[in-house]
Amino acid sequence: IAGITQAPTSQILAAGRRMTLRCTQDMRHNAMYWYRQDLGLGLRLIHYSNTAGTTGKGEVPDGYSVSRANTDDFPLTLASAVPSQTSVYFCASSADSGSVTQYFGPGTRLLVL
Amino acid sequence: AQSVTQPDIHITVSEGASLELRCNYSYGATPYLFWYVQSPGQGLQLLLKYFSGDTLVQGIKGFEAEFKRSQSSFNLRKPSVHWSDAAEYFCAVGVRGGSNYKLTFGKGTLLTVNP
Repeated sequence: IAGITQAPTSQILAAGRRMTLRCTQDMRHNAMYWYRQDLGLGLRLIHYSNTAGTTGKGEVPDGYSVSRANTDDFPLTLASAVPSQTSVYFCASSADSGSVTQYFGPGTRLLVL
Repeated sequence: AQSVTQPDIHITVSEGASLELRCNYSYGATPYLFWYVQSPGQGLQLLLKYFSGDTLVQGIKGFEAEFKRSQSSFNLRKPSVHWSDAAEYFCAVGVRGGSNYKLTFGKGTLLTVNP
Protein backbone atom coordinates (compact mmCIF):
# COMPACT_ATOMS: atom_id res chain seq x y z
CA ILE A 1 0.00 0.00 0.00
CA ALA A 2 1.42 3.36 -1.03
CA GLY A 3 2.01 5.86 1.70
CA ILE A 4 4.41 7.20 4.29
CA THR A 5 6.38 5.10 6.73
CA GLN A 6 8.15 6.41 9.81
CA ALA A 7 10.70 4.77 12.07
CA PRO A 8 11.01 4.15 14.89
CA THR A 9 7.43 3.90 16.11
CA SER A 10 8.54 5.07 19.52
CA GLN A 11 11.78 5.83 21.31
CA ILE A 12 13.03 6.71 24.76
CA LEU A 13 16.14 8.86 24.52
CA ALA A 14 18.56 10.24 27.08
CA ALA A 15 19.05 13.98 27.02
CA GLY A 16 22.11 14.99 25.06
CA ARG A 17 21.94 12.05 22.69
CA ARG A 18 21.68 12.36 18.95
CA MET A 19 18.64 10.88 17.24
CA THR A 20 17.44 10.61 13.66
CA LEU A 21 13.79 10.02 12.87
CA ARG A 22 13.27 8.40 9.51
CA CYS A 23 10.54 9.12 6.99
CA THR A 24 10.05 7.44 3.64
CA GLN A 25 7.27 7.89 1.10
CA ASP A 26 6.57 5.90 -2.04
CA MET A 27 4.07 8.27 -3.66
CA ARG A 28 6.79 10.17 -5.58
CA HIS A 29 5.67 13.34 -3.83
CA ASN A 30 8.02 16.26 -4.23
CA ALA A 31 7.18 18.13 -1.03
CA MET A 32 7.69 16.73 2.46
CA TYR A 33 7.16 18.11 5.95
CA TRP A 34 7.94 17.42 9.58
CA TYR A 35 5.50 18.39 12.35
CA ARG A 36 5.51 17.94 16.08
CA GLN A 37 2.28 17.39 17.98
CA ASP A 38 1.99 18.49 21.57
CA LEU A 39 -1.01 18.37 23.86
CA GLY A 40 -2.93 21.60 23.73
CA LEU A 41 -0.76 23.02 20.97
CA GLY A 42 -1.87 20.99 17.97
CA LEU A 43 0.57 20.36 15.13
CA ARG A 44 3.43 22.73 14.44
CA LEU A 45 5.68 22.68 11.39
CA ILE A 46 9.36 22.05 12.10
CA HIS A 47 10.96 21.89 8.64
CA TYR A 48 9.85 21.30 5.09
CA SER A 49 11.31 20.41 1.71
CA ASN A 50 9.75 21.48 -1.57
CA THR A 51 11.89 19.13 -3.64
CA ALA A 52 14.96 16.94 -3.33
CA GLY A 53 18.00 19.01 -2.47
CA THR A 54 16.09 21.87 -0.84
CA THR A 55 14.85 22.42 2.71
CA GLY A 56 13.23 25.24 4.65
CA LYS A 57 12.44 26.21 8.22
CA GLY A 58 8.98 26.01 9.66
CA GLU A 59 7.46 27.45 12.80
CA VAL A 60 9.64 25.62 15.37
CA PRO A 61 12.97 24.65 13.73
CA ASP A 62 15.38 25.19 16.63
CA GLY A 63 17.17 22.03 17.74
CA TYR A 64 16.27 20.13 14.58
CA SER A 65 17.90 19.61 11.20
CA VAL A 66 16.74 17.89 8.03
CA SER A 67 18.18 16.75 4.74
CA ARG A 68 16.62 15.70 1.46
CA ALA A 69 19.08 13.70 -0.57
CA ASN A 70 16.39 12.08 -2.71
CA THR A 71 12.65 12.26 -3.36
CA ASP A 72 11.61 9.43 -1.06
CA ASP A 73 13.45 10.13 2.21
CA PHE A 74 13.28 13.05 4.61
CA PRO A 75 15.09 12.32 7.90
CA LEU A 76 14.80 14.60 10.92
CA THR A 77 17.79 14.83 13.25
CA LEU A 78 17.95 15.99 16.84
CA ALA A 79 21.63 16.76 17.33
CA SER A 80 21.48 16.88 21.13
CA ALA A 81 18.06 15.99 22.47
CA VAL A 82 16.44 17.97 25.30
CA PRO A 83 13.35 17.06 27.35
CA SER A 84 11.29 19.79 25.64
CA GLN A 85 11.62 17.78 22.43
CA THR A 86 9.44 15.06 23.94
CA SER A 87 6.60 14.93 21.46
CA VAL A 88 4.92 12.98 18.71
CA TYR A 89 6.55 13.64 15.36
CA PHE A 90 4.66 13.35 12.10
CA CYS A 91 6.08 13.30 8.62
CA ALA A 92 3.82 14.43 5.78
CA SER A 93 4.02 14.85 2.03
CA SER A 94 2.22 16.59 -0.80
CA ALA A 95 2.50 16.09 -4.53
CA ASP A 96 4.50 19.27 -4.89
CA SER A 97 4.87 22.69 -3.31
CA GLY A 98 1.84 23.86 -5.30
CA SER A 99 -0.37 21.19 -3.75
CA VAL A 100 -2.07 22.13 -0.53
CA THR A 101 -3.28 18.65 0.46
CA GLN A 102 -0.85 16.85 2.75
CA TYR A 103 -0.81 13.17 3.67
CA PHE A 104 0.56 12.05 7.00
CA GLY A 105 2.61 9.15 8.29
CA PRO A 106 1.77 7.18 11.45
CA GLY A 107 4.09 9.19 13.71
CA THR A 108 7.03 8.61 16.04
CA ARG A 109 6.55 8.98 19.77
CA LEU A 110 9.70 10.35 21.36
CA LEU A 111 10.39 10.66 25.08
CA VAL A 112 13.53 12.54 26.07
CA LEU A 113 14.62 12.01 29.67
CA ALA B 1 -1.66 35.43 9.91
CA GLN B 2 -4.23 32.72 9.61
CA SER B 3 -5.60 30.87 12.62
CA VAL B 4 -8.00 28.04 13.35
CA THR B 5 -10.22 27.71 16.40
CA GLN B 6 -11.93 24.53 17.47
CA PRO B 7 -14.04 25.69 20.40
CA ASP B 8 -14.80 22.25 21.79
CA ILE B 9 -11.89 20.41 23.36
CA HIS B 10 -13.93 17.29 24.15
CA ILE B 11 -17.36 16.13 22.97
CA THR B 12 -19.25 13.04 24.08
CA VAL B 13 -22.12 11.61 22.06
CA SER B 14 -24.09 8.40 22.14
CA GLU B 15 -23.74 5.88 19.37
CA GLY B 16 -26.32 6.58 16.69
CA ALA B 17 -26.66 10.25 17.63
CA SER B 18 -25.82 13.05 15.26
CA LEU B 19 -22.54 14.93 15.51
CA GLU B 20 -21.34 18.42 14.72
CA LEU B 21 -17.77 19.55 15.37
CA ARG B 22 -17.14 23.25 15.12
CA CYS B 23 -14.30 24.97 13.32
CA ASN B 24 -13.75 28.69 12.82
CA TYR B 25 -10.92 30.19 10.86
CA SER B 26 -9.37 33.59 10.51
CA TYR B 27 -7.97 34.52 7.11
CA GLY B 28 -8.35 37.46 4.77
CA ALA B 29 -9.39 35.46 1.72
CA THR B 30 -11.09 32.13 1.13
CA PRO B 31 -8.68 29.50 2.39
CA TYR B 32 -8.36 25.86 1.62
CA LEU B 33 -10.04 23.96 4.45
CA PHE B 34 -9.48 20.46 5.74
CA TRP B 35 -10.66 18.03 8.36
CA TYR B 36 -8.33 15.28 9.54
CA VAL B 37 -9.05 12.46 11.97
CA GLN B 38 -6.53 10.85 14.31
CA SER B 39 -7.43 7.53 15.88
CA PRO B 40 -5.62 6.61 19.10
CA GLY B 41 -1.96 5.90 18.43
CA GLN B 42 -2.37 6.57 14.72
CA GLY B 43 -1.43 9.24 12.23
CA LEU B 44 -3.72 11.83 10.70
CA GLN B 45 -6.12 10.69 8.01
CA LEU B 46 -7.70 13.17 5.62
CA LEU B 47 -11.51 13.14 5.99
CA LEU B 48 -12.45 15.85 3.51
CA LYS B 49 -11.37 19.15 2.02
CA TYR B 50 -12.90 22.30 0.57
CA PHE B 51 -11.20 24.27 -2.17
CA SER B 52 -14.04 25.99 -4.03
CA GLY B 53 -17.49 25.40 -5.51
CA ASP B 54 -20.23 23.61 -3.62
CA THR B 55 -20.00 24.66 -0.01
CA LEU B 56 -21.19 21.28 1.26
CA VAL B 57 -18.47 18.70 0.82
CA GLN B 58 -18.67 14.98 1.34
CA GLY B 59 -15.86 12.97 2.82
CA ILE B 60 -15.00 9.47 3.82
CA LYS B 61 -16.70 7.47 6.57
CA GLY B 62 -20.02 9.29 6.07
CA PHE B 63 -18.74 12.71 7.17
CA GLU B 64 -19.63 16.01 5.55
CA ALA B 65 -18.67 19.61 6.19
CA GLU B 66 -20.19 22.92 5.22
CA PHE B 67 -18.22 26.06 4.42
CA LYS B 68 -19.99 29.22 5.54
CA ARG B 69 -18.10 32.29 4.44
CA SER B 70 -20.28 34.69 6.44
CA GLN B 71 -19.45 32.83 9.64
CA SER B 72 -15.86 31.89 8.76
CA SER B 73 -16.79 28.36 9.68
CA PHE B 74 -16.23 24.87 8.37
CA ASN B 75 -18.17 22.57 10.68
CA LEU B 76 -17.95 18.81 10.40
CA ARG B 77 -21.13 16.73 10.64
CA LYS B 78 -22.22 13.14 10.68
CA PRO B 79 -25.89 12.08 10.95
CA SER B 80 -25.29 8.90 12.96
CA VAL B 81 -22.10 8.28 14.90
CA HIS B 82 -20.52 4.84 15.18
CA TRP B 83 -18.33 3.68 18.04
CA SER B 84 -15.40 3.52 15.62
CA ASP B 85 -15.65 7.29 15.12
CA ALA B 86 -14.12 7.87 18.55
CA ALA B 87 -10.96 9.80 17.76
CA GLU B 88 -9.48 13.26 17.73
CA TYR B 89 -10.51 15.57 14.92
CA PHE B 90 -8.43 18.41 13.55
CA CYS B 91 -9.55 21.27 11.37
CA ALA B 92 -6.85 22.90 9.24
CA VAL B 93 -6.44 25.90 6.97
CA GLY B 94 -4.08 25.85 4.00
CA VAL B 95 -2.71 29.14 2.71
CA ARG B 96 0.08 30.05 0.35
CA GLY B 97 3.15 31.14 2.28
CA GLY B 98 6.25 31.82 0.26
CA SER B 99 7.34 28.83 -1.78
CA ASN B 100 4.60 26.45 -0.74
CA TYR B 101 1.37 26.02 1.12
CA LYS B 102 1.30 26.02 4.89
CA LEU B 103 -1.23 24.11 6.94
CA THR B 104 -2.33 25.68 10.19
CA PHE B 105 -4.14 23.29 12.50
CA GLY B 106 -6.64 23.80 15.23
CA LYS B 107 -5.90 22.23 18.59
CA GLY B 108 -8.29 19.40 18.02
CA THR B 109 -11.58 18.07 19.36
CA LEU B 110 -11.59 14.73 21.11
CA LEU B 111 -14.72 12.71 20.39
CA THR B 112 -15.92 10.06 22.83
CA VAL B 113 -18.74 7.76 21.75
CA ASN B 114 -20.88 6.13 24.42
CA PRO B 115 -22.54 2.78 23.67
